[in-house]
Amino acid sequence: AQSVTQLDSQVPVFEEAPVELRCNYSSSVSVYLFWYVQYPNQGLQLLLKYLSGSTLVKGINGFEAEFNKSQTSFHLRKPSVHISDTAEYFCAVSGPNAGGTSYGKLTFGQGTILTVHP
Amino acid sequence: DAGVTQSPTHLIKTRGQHVTLRCSPISGHKSVSWYQQVLGQGPQFIFQYYEKEERGRGNFPDRFSARQFPNYSSELNVNALLLGDSALYLCASSLGDRRYEQYFGPGTRLTVT
Repeated sequence: AQSVTQLDSQVPVFEEAPVELRCNYSSSVSVYLFWYVQYPNQGLQLLLKYLSGSTLVKGINGFEAEFNKSQTSFHLRKPSVHISDTAEYFCAVSGPNAGGTSYGKLTFGQGTILTVHP
Repeated sequence: DAGVTQSPTHLIKTRGQHVTLRCSPISGHKSVSWYQQVLGQGPQFIFQYYEKEERGRGNFPDRFSARQFPNYSSELNVNALLLGDSALYLCASSLGDRRYEQYFGPGTRLTVT
């Protein structure tokens, strides 16, 4: 079974400051890792994903994340945030179903609310 | 291309009633998954369907059921509604294999009174 822990429930920052949203996961099998963003009263939008290869993944809106297998982490970063980045961010892992098939489910963390102040 | 669509947008039901939520995937996507997102929490996996067959089921009671149609659209049914079923129900579509990202619809907000 997989689990995801987002270490901060809320992160307040000022506009143009850097930000890091932390995510740790646990799994007994190889997983794929994702970050999604959710704006108020909307569904989830994919920011970036890690499947394999380079551990530094670049996504949309200037976000990037680094996969660290030894630390089982997948932290999300942005060097300079904007007011429009205010939203809730979810880290998720995709692993195989209990039957071991490749049609996996997403397991989400509890979310981190990023609030960007002017 | 249109994204994932869900209907209805909002729904208010009474305890004990039944509800049906609908989802149309992105064209070309053969997999549909359903998630429940309770306020203040991350989404929880309910079902995944691929090519009209159930491929995965989360830890939800038998009151929850789903199906996928030949055109790959899907329905989620919930019987004997409880107050605790109040949540945002999200549908996601993908190409199928877990390597592929899931694209989410806007959700259906269900309120049980």
